[in-house]
Amino acid sequence: EAQVTQNPRYLITVTGKKLTVTCSQNMNHEYMSWYRQDPGLGLRQIYYSMNVEVTDKGDVPEGYKVSRKEKRNFPLILESPSPNQTSLYFCASSSPARGQTGEQYFGPGTRLTVT
Amino acid sequence: DAKTTQPPSMDCAEGRAANLPCNHSTISGNEYVYWYRQIHSQGPQYIIHGLKNNETNEMASLIITEDRKSSTLILPHATLRDTAVYYCIVRDIDNDMRFGAGTRLTVKP
Repeated sequence: EAQVTQNPRYLITVTGKKLTVTCSQNMNHEYMSWYRQDPGLGLRQIYYSMNVEVTDKGDVPEGYKVSRKEKRNFPLILESPSPNQTSLYFCASSSPARGQTGEQYFGPGTRLTVT
Repeated sequence: DAKTTQPPSMDCAEGRAANLPCNHSTISGNEYVYWYRQIHSQGPQYIIHGLKNNETNEMASLIITEDRKSSTLILPHATLRDTAVYYCIVRDIDNDMRFGAGTRLTVKP
């Protein structure tokens, strides 16, 4: 089944404790992206990757890192989480990246709480 | 800047057609209209997209006006499971999706 998976689905952590949210897709998509969703602010893009070893900042990249060492995986790293990063996070993938139309497939979401 | 305007909420009776409007008056010639929906806090789900012609798939129909300044997503026979936030997005092929606030559709029995 074609899907985007995220782990963990729920996480409660403390300020400053490094964490990684994993994202994996099995559709051989070139393009992957991370969004956060907050009440009243909608979905905002954090980082995206057009292919392996190619990443770029989205609208709200501060406090986050990403890597794209393999096509299928696109982890989101919070080196020193802060309470303002409490949010619902979504990973998405699509193919092709740009230059043609394409639908994005979204993961189920990760609800992160930073205390 | 989501480039689109949608009503914040709408109601629809179960079994009736749900018609969700979207204004995109500044759309340019190479920009597509996409529709996604998000049920509760699940990941957004792709519904349909189009450039200038009307489109239909198993989920919905997309009607784009001739001047392309607005469009309507039609769910022909709404069910309770269609209750969701519906996002209209204008995007050109070289840029990323920008989600706005969407329309919260409530399907009532």
